[in-house]
Amino acid sequence: DAGVIQSPRHEVTEMGQEVTLRCKPISGHNSLFWYRQTMMRGLELLIYFNNNVPIDDSGMPEDRFSAKMPNASFSTLKIQPSEPRDSAVYFCASMVDPGKWGNEQFFGPGTRLTVL
Amino acid sequence: QKEVEQNSGPLSVPEGAIASLNCTYSDRGSQSFFWYRQYSGKSPELIMFIYSNGDKEDGRFTAQLNKASQYVSLLIRDSQPSDSATYLCAAWEPSGGGADGLTFGKGTHLIIQP
Repeated sequence: DAGVIQSPRHEVTEMGQEVTLRCKPISGHNSLFWYRQTMMRGLELLIYFNNNVPIDDSGMPEDRFSAKMPNASFSTLKIQPSEPRDSAVYFCASMVDPGKWGNEQFFGPGTRLTVL
Repeated sequence: QKEVEQNSGPLSVPEGAIASLNCTYSDRGSQSFFWYRQYSGKSPELIMFIYSNGDKEDGRFTAQLNKASQYVSLLIRDSQPSDSATYLCAAWEPSGGGADGLTFGKGTHLIIQP
């Protein structure tokens, strides 16, 4: 298996532009997570999906952020309009059913976003 | 609000010694705890997880959990330069309706000195 796939790996854009990050989870995993990592705030959960349904988006910082999962093999995180403070590494992770004690989340390589 | 606290470091340990990484958490509803290793510029990868009080060993790594004290630790024996990385502690609390995300600490930067 190729693991979690994210694209693009690097994105540089100007303030006010729309940014779309993409993720393909591991086949057979039914939970998908979007995280953001910065030096100041560490790794933060933005939103997670279970069986393509958004379960908790309380971590999404503002209405400028939106996420979709139209099918089991694809998810997008969109920022519109982007701002310099959105600069961070965005990780997508997937997991099989958590079971009773949780389960390993497999992380993609991340997208490094720079908003000028 | 759920919080996971870690000393950011850097923690410097000589090669061959035991590295001890610590973590505390605020939410008593947390059931399981995960240790991820993250090399610079890379994504986090799971080392091990623990959900029962006591010790859990896997090779050179030992995770320790004390739910009464809300304390988790990771010991790395016979530390190697390749162990130099940031170690992230994460807590998981089960929900009634599907998978939950993990609450991560900010990580401890570990440096193994040759």
